[in-house]
Amino acid sequence: AQSVSQHNHHVILSEAASLELGCNYSYGGTVNLFWYVQYPGQHLQLLLKYFSGDPLVKGIKGFEAEFIKSKFSFNLRKPSVQWSDTAEYFCAVNAGSGGYQKVTFGTGTKLQVIP
Amino acid sequence: DTAVSQTPKYLVTQMGNDKSIKCEQNLGHDTMYWYKQDSKKFLKIMFSYNNKELIINETVPNRFSPKSPDKAHLNLHINSLELGDSAVYFCASSRAGGYTDTQYFGPGTRLTVL
Repeated sequence: AQSVSQHNHHVILSEAASLELGCNYSYGGTVNLFWYVQYPGQHLQLLLKYFSGDPLVKGIKGFEAEFIKSKFSFNLRKPSVQWSDTAEYFCAVNAGSGGYQKVTFGTGTKLQVIP
Repeated sequence: DTAVSQTPKYLVTQMGNDKSIKCEQNLGHDTMYWYKQDSKKFLKIMFSYNNKELIINETVPNRFSPKSPDKAHLNLHINSLELGDSAVYFCASSRAGGYTDTQYFGPGTRLTVL
């Protein structure tokens, strides 16, 4: 069965600091990987996703993630965070079965950006 | 325009009651999902429907029964509510349920069982 680990549960950064959130997954086959963000009081929305091609994926709001197959990792990065990036970030892996997706989410990382 | 909507947003009820949460999507998607997010923010899939047919049914108590009257709606009915059912329930939809499809989430329904 697939699983996702996010080791950083709570990250506190000052504005303009660089961000890297770790995500490791466990699944032996082909995977599709996602990062979702949940801003305070809002619903989850997609930041970026990887399913093939260039392992460095660029998403919205200056976020990017790198898929490293040998490390089973899909870490999220942003060179300079803003206060508005304060949110909960969820890594997810989709291995699916029978042709349909079944997404497994990590436990989330709460990012707090201090002005 | 709201893409995925859920009602109600908040639901407070007593143990043993039966309640329903409604979900509607206006994106024209074929696949819809229900997720449960517990107090530690862990998000776990419960059900998935494609064109009104159940395709994913995780290990969920049979007190939970999803119903999809059409592909734009996926409702969740919960019988005999228990304290442990307190959580935020998210509905989501995707175009066709394929491996690379993005899921679009609703705003969530915070259920509190007293």
